[in-house]
Amino acid sequence: QKEVEQDPGPLSVPEGAIVSLNCTYSNSAFQYFMWYRQYSRKGPELLMYTYSSGNKEDGRFTAQVDKSSKYISLFIRDSQPSDSATYLCAMTAVGGPGGSQGNLIFGKGTKLSVKP
Amino acid sequence: NAGVTQTPKFQVLKTGQSMTLQCAQDMNHNSMYWYRQDPGMGLRLIYYSASEGTTDKGEVPNGYNVSRLNKREFSLRLESAAPSQTSVYFCASSGASGVGVKQYFGPGTRLTVT
Repeated sequence: QKEVEQDPGPLSVPEGAIVSLNCTYSNSAFQYFMWYRQYSRKGPELLMYTYSSGNKEDGRFTAQVDKSSKYISLFIRDSQPSDSATYLCAMTAVGGPGGSQGNLIFGKGTKLSVKP
Repeated sequence: NAGVTQTPKFQVLKTGQSMTLQCAQDMNHNSMYWYRQDPGMGLRLIYYSASEGTTDKGEVPNGYNVSRLNKREFSLRLESAAPSQTSVYFCASSGASGVGVKQYFGPGTRLTVT
C-alpha cells in the first residue's frame, strides 16, 4: 500500500460546481497536511496548509483533515475555469525516521478541468 | 523577490553526457530540495539539504549528486545521463524546522536524455 493515495482523475466539472478532491494515507504519524496547485508546465504552488485535524477555509477553498479516518479533502466552491490545474496533496511527520524533517510525501495529483 | 529560480528551463542530453541543474532561492530559507516528476509517479524526492553544509538522500538518489554551495544555492548533477533520467526536475526550499514543512517550488527544468 502506498503511503498516500490520490485519485488521478481526470475530473471535469462545469463552472460554478463544488469540487471535492481527496487523499487517503496510511502513516498515522503524519501531522501536517498541504494542498498544492500545479498549472500545466509550471511548478507546484502551496494552496492550503493545515496542522492535525480540523477545517481551514481560505476564500473559495476549504481543507479538511480527518486523522481518525486518515483522510483529507479539498473543497472548491463556485469553481472557475482558472481553477483548472492538477491538485497535489502532501503530508509529513516532522522529525520522522532518518532525520527527515520537513520531507513531504506527495499524492500523484488529481487533474481538474472546469468548463465554462 | 524572485522566490526559487532554476536554470536551465529546458535541456536535451545524449546518453552518457553530464550536466548540472542550478537552483537558487532568495527567501533566506535553510532547507532545499530536489524532486523529479514523472507521469503517473508524482513528485519524488531525490536529495535534500536540511541546512547549509548538509545533504541527505531522498527516495530516488541513484545517478545524481548534489552540492549545497551556500545558503542560497543548491545544485543537482547528473554525471552520466541515462534515458531513465528524462523527467521534469523541481527545486524547492523551506524555512526553519517547525515551519519548514511549507515548501516553495521553482518553475522546473525539463530534461530529455536521448
